Amino acid sequence: EVQLVESGGGLVQPGGSLRLSCAASGFTFSSYWMVWVRQAPGKGPVYVSEINSDGSVTRYADSVKDRFTISRDNAKNTLYLQMNSLRAEDTAVYYCARGGYGGGYDYWGQGILVTGSS
Amino acid sequence: QSALTQPPSASGSPGQSVTISCTGTSSDVGTYNLVSWYQQHPGKAPKLMIYEISKRPSGVPDRFSGSKSGNTVSLTVSGLQAEDEADYYCSSYARSNNYVFGTGTKVTVL
Repeated sequence: EVQLVESGGGLVQPGGSLRLSCAASGFTFSSYWMVWVRQAPGKGPVYVSEINSDGSVTRYADSVKDRFTISRDNAKNTLYLQMNSLRAEDTAVYYCARGGYGGGYDYWGQGILVTGSS
Repeated sequence: QSALTQPPSASGSPGQSVTISCTGTSSDVGTYNLVSWYQQHPGKAPKLMIYEISKRPSGVPDRFSGSKSGNTVSLTVSGLQAEDEADYYCSSYARSNNYVFGTGTKVTVL
C-alpha cells in the first residue's frame, strides 16, 4: 500500500525556518517525481515545488523561489522541503504527493499544518 | 501564474449529471494535455479523479469523465451519488514550467 506521511510542521514566527519531511513507503520511491502542494485555510491547492526521481531537477512556484528548497534522500525514501524566511502568507496545510502519469498526482499524504504567525 | 477559473458551485439531484468547467489560457490548458481533476472531501487530501484530460486512474468510477475544448476543460459526473458531494479542482501544466490549480467548485447533491 502506498503511504506518504508528512512531519515537521508547526508554528513559526515570520522570518523563521522549518523543514518538512515526507516519508514514503509501498512503492519504489526512487522512480517517481515528487511534489509539495499547499492549501491555505478555505482556499484551493497551490503548487509549491517538485523534484525529479534522482533529485537533479527541481522546480518552484515564483512565490517560494529563493526561500524554499526541495530535496530527497532516495536511500531513506524521504522527501524534504526546507522553508526559510517564512511569511504569514505561507500559512497552509502542506501536502506531499507522488507524480503519476500524465501530470496527475496520484497519491497524497494526509497533510501537515504550517502556521507563520507571531 | 493565475489560477484556472472554475464556477464556485454546481449541483444536481441523485442520478443526474453535473458538468464543471475549468478555463485557462493558451499558456496552460490550451496548449497542454497534462490536465487533471481532483476531488476533495472536507478535511481530506485531494484525490486524483482524471489525468491527461480524460483518463481515469484505477478505481475511479466511469461515472467521471473529462473533455477539452480550446482553453477550457470539463469534468462530468454522471449518475450523481451522495458521496460525490465534494470540492473539485482542475490542474494543468503551464508554460512557466510548473502546475496551476483551479479556483475550485463545490458540488452539492440535492
